[in-house]
Amino acid sequence: DAKTTQPPSMDCAEGRAANLPCNHSTISGNEYVYWYRQIHSQGPQYIIHGLKNNETNEMASLIITEDRKSSTLILPHATLRDTAVYYCIVILTGANSKLTFGKGITLSVRP
Amino acid sequence: GAGVSQSPRYKVAKRGQDVALRCDPISGHVSLFWYQQALGQGPEFLTYFQNEAQLDKSGLPSDRFFAERPEGSVSTLKIQRTQQEDSAVYLCASSFPGQGPNGYTFGSGTRLTVV
Repeated sequence: DAKTTQPPSMDCAEGRAANLPCNHSTISGNEYVYWYRQIHSQGPQYIIHGLKNNETNEMASLIITEDRKSSTLILPHATLRDTAVYYCIVILTGANSKLTFGKGITLSVRP
Repeated sequence: GAGVSQSPRYKVAKRGQDVALRCDPISGHVSLFWYQQALGQGPEFLTYFQNEAQLDKSGLPSDRFFAERPEGSVSTLKIQRTQQEDSAVYLCASSFPGQGPNGYTFGSGTRLTVV
């Protein structure tokens, strides 16, 4: 699976959009980009995933560059409850794929 | 229950003691994973079960670590002769058969502290 690079931390104001970047320059054509988050003292939680096209669900949007070498997770209106570690994972998915998390990016949402 | 349940929530063990950590997956979830998360790090894969079969144990760090799932439901991760470096949060995840990572549900983990 391709390696990902994320800055260690960022913050944003409550109610504003949080844009979390991820670099995955060695991604291969059939690898997906997944985002998970981990709130303090909880297990990781799936957010969203994509292959080439931008994706949106009730939690977030995922923007993948045309060359697929980077992506951005967007939380459109961050709340204090969004304070967490966010993991960008690139993986050749099938059933029962094992995840490689890395250190992730710590997002702090300030009041 | 509605989610993946892990017990105990916290465990303190003296160095050299054996411990057993339990995972109750969501009913019907055939796939079960164990991960280890050291302080300040992301979770790292330990082992994977499909029903009662342990199909991948490549992440187990030593032969002191042993996992089982005898009836294809509840799983136990056992650590023998615990060492300080075993201190970590141990996470369990489960999913329906054939689901990818968008279908994984994680428990809240067991925090093991070896003193």
